[in-house]
Amino acid sequence: DTEVTQTPKHLVMGMTNKKSLKCEQHMGHRAMYWYKQKAKKPPELMFVYSYEKLSINESVPSRFSPECPNSSLLNLHLHALQPEDSALYLCASSPQETYTGELFFGEGSRLTVL
Amino acid sequence: AQSVTQLDSHVSVSEGTPVLLRCNYSSSYSPSLFWYVQHPNKGLQLLLKYTSAATLVKGINGFEAEFKKSETSFHLTKPSAHMSDAAEYFCVVIPSGGYNKLIFGAGTRLAVHP
Repeated sequence: DTEVTQTPKHLVMGMTNKKSLKCEQHMGHRAMYWYKQKAKKPPELMFVYSYEKLSINESVPSRFSPECPNSSLLNLHLHALQPEDSALYLCASSPQETYTGELFFGEGSRLTVL
Repeated sequence: AQSVTQLDSHVSVSEGTPVLLRCNYSSSYSPSLFWYVQHPNKGLQLLLKYTSAATLVKGINGFEAEFKKSETSFHLTKPSAHMSDAAEYFCVVIPSGGYNKLIFGAGTRLAVHP
């Protein structure tokens, strides 16, 4: 299984809602990532988890809260988002957080904030 | 600091003709370079990588890239375009420090016409 599975594929939420994005991989990878991608732009790194611990937070606003319950799962909790947070949120994984550059990406969750 | 510049934001070719997507890099050391592809409404997929072994790198789906240090280039080519090659292509470098913190180019959108 070489897949990274993201749910839901589409999410519409109001600015006062609380929702979560979920990411799952069963490749035994020990590093997992959240990226944000706006239309016609490259992905931007948000968070990196290595061995289930947060290792990189790219100064992301606290309305985005990541969680790594185990080595296969990565969540992104969303609260009090703004319309400008509407984007494609991509999850990725790699065998470990090392100098390889080879990431496996999910298909993304497309978020719309009204 | 490392960076990559993709010289064309859009490239349009006819099916069966060659593809050339251009990427220049800036790095103070021998970089690790990658090409990722993103099909519409999909996640990213690694096409190929250069990590200081052979300068001509072969990837998936008939793509290849040549690392040219003298020109600081890592252009992506394919002899014959297929309709399924229509996608966004990102040239990527990873920084020193041993982390999978991908530095993306702005992307090149490849259109393939019948």
